[in-house]
Amino acid sequence: EAQVTQNPRYLITVTGKKLTVTCSQNMNHEYMSWYRQDPGLGLRQIYYSMNVEVTDKGDVPEGYKVSRKEKRNFPLILESPSPNQTSLYFCASRATGTTYGGNFGPGTRLTVT
Amino acid sequence: QQQVKQSPQSLIVQKGGISIINCAYENTAFDYFPWYQQFPGKGPALLIAIRPDVSEKKEGRFTISFNKSAKQFSLHIMDSQPGDSATYFCAADFWSEKLVFGKGTKLTVNP
Repeated sequence: EAQVTQNPRYLITVTGKKLTVTCSQNMNHEYMSWYRQDPGLGLRQIYYSMNVEVTDKGDVPEGYKVSRKEKRNFPLILESPSPNQTSLYFCASRATGTTYGGNFGPGTRLTVT
Repeated sequence: QQQVKQSPQSLIVQKGGISIINCAYENTAFDYFPWYQQFPGKGPALLIAIRPDVSEKKEGRFTISFNKSAKQFSLHIMDSQPGDSATYFCAADFWSEKLVFGKGTKLTVNP
């Protein structure tokens, strides 16, 4: 089954404790992206990657890092989480050159206390 | 400007009625306009999409109307059903790299 998986699905952590949210897709998609969803703000893009070793900032990249060492994986790293990063995070992927909207993961709900 | 403005924030419709959600954009470089449907606890899923060279696209009960000169597009859900109750997001694609979302509309269809 074609899918985007994220882990963990739920995470409660404390300010300053480094964490990584993993994202993996099995569709051989070149393009991957991370979004955060906050009430009343919709989805905002954090980072995206057009292919392996190619990443770029989205609209809200502050406080986040990403890496793309393999085509299927695109982890989101919070080196020093803060309470304003409490949010619902989605990873998405799609084939480059297509505009069919892509596949979204199930989401990771992060709470930073 | 890469914003997409979506209205209304919430919408209540009776079963069988028509649900209409509107979006407006500023950047004429956007070249693809998808709509997403999101149920609680799930990720957004592509519902229907349109390119700016088409004025209308219909898929079943869902229709996108696109007005290029006004830089507006809308989603119409005909014969709305309780199962359509979800949050709907319009979006605009920017050179296949950056998907810019509206803030969402929570639709409730009463039985």
